[in-house]
Amino acid sequence: DAKTTQPTSMDCAEGRAANLPCNHSTISGNEYVYWYRQIHSQGPQYIIHGLKNNETNEMASLIITEDRKSSTLILPHATLRDTAVYYCIVRAPLTDSWGKLQFGAGTQVVVTP
Amino acid sequence: ETGVTQSPTHLIKTRGQQVTLRCSSQSGHNTVSWYQQALGQGPQFIFQYYREEENGRGNFPPRFSGLQFPNYSSELNVNALELDDSALYLCASSLGRGLRNTEAFFGQGTRLTVV
Repeated sequence: DAKTTQPTSMDCAEGRAANLPCNHSTISGNEYVYWYRQIHSQGPQYIIHGLKNNETNEMASLIITEDRKSSTLILPHATLRDTAVYYCIVRAPLTDSWGKLQFGAGTQVVVTP
Repeated sequence: ETGVTQSPTHLIKTRGQQVTLRCSSQSGHNTVSWYQQALGQGPQFIFQYYREEENGRGNFPPRFSGLQFPNYSSELNVNALELDDSALYLCASSLGRGLRNTEAFFGQGTRLTVV
């Protein structure tokens, strides 16, 4: 079973920021938070990951709470091409199970004009 | 473009047949993972190969098997196909084990339909 909980769906207006929440209350100290997205009929695409500090790259920002039990992925200026299913995953890169990504159902994000 | 290529893109097989799916990993990546994604669900981990050896397996029966070659490309074999095997099969490559922060890069998948 996936170790994260996400809302099933959310809508976002084009040009506005999209804030995608994720709960991971049982996260272990050596587990990172990863975000992937999957546009219809394509393979999942890596977005960003973090351990405990906030992270930003050209695609998104990741805000992790101090207790690490939840996080928020921020798409600063959503476009129609950001319509996709977004998956939040916890993963421990340095353990034997490092390669296994446990996908949940994800959040279906629909960006509307 | 992730540099991970899968073939074929689509495939139709009959129940009971065998199928082989192929994956070429991104240059320099030594680890390949396979996932099955049924319609409307998230991908489910099948198994992973690291330097030609299986290194982790999900909850899939033995009729799902794989290989990784010296060039790190990989095959997924499924014997005795069942209707429920109809799904998108995804391959992901990464550089790995023991290295921090290694994200996985996915191919576009092979859509398998069993009739």
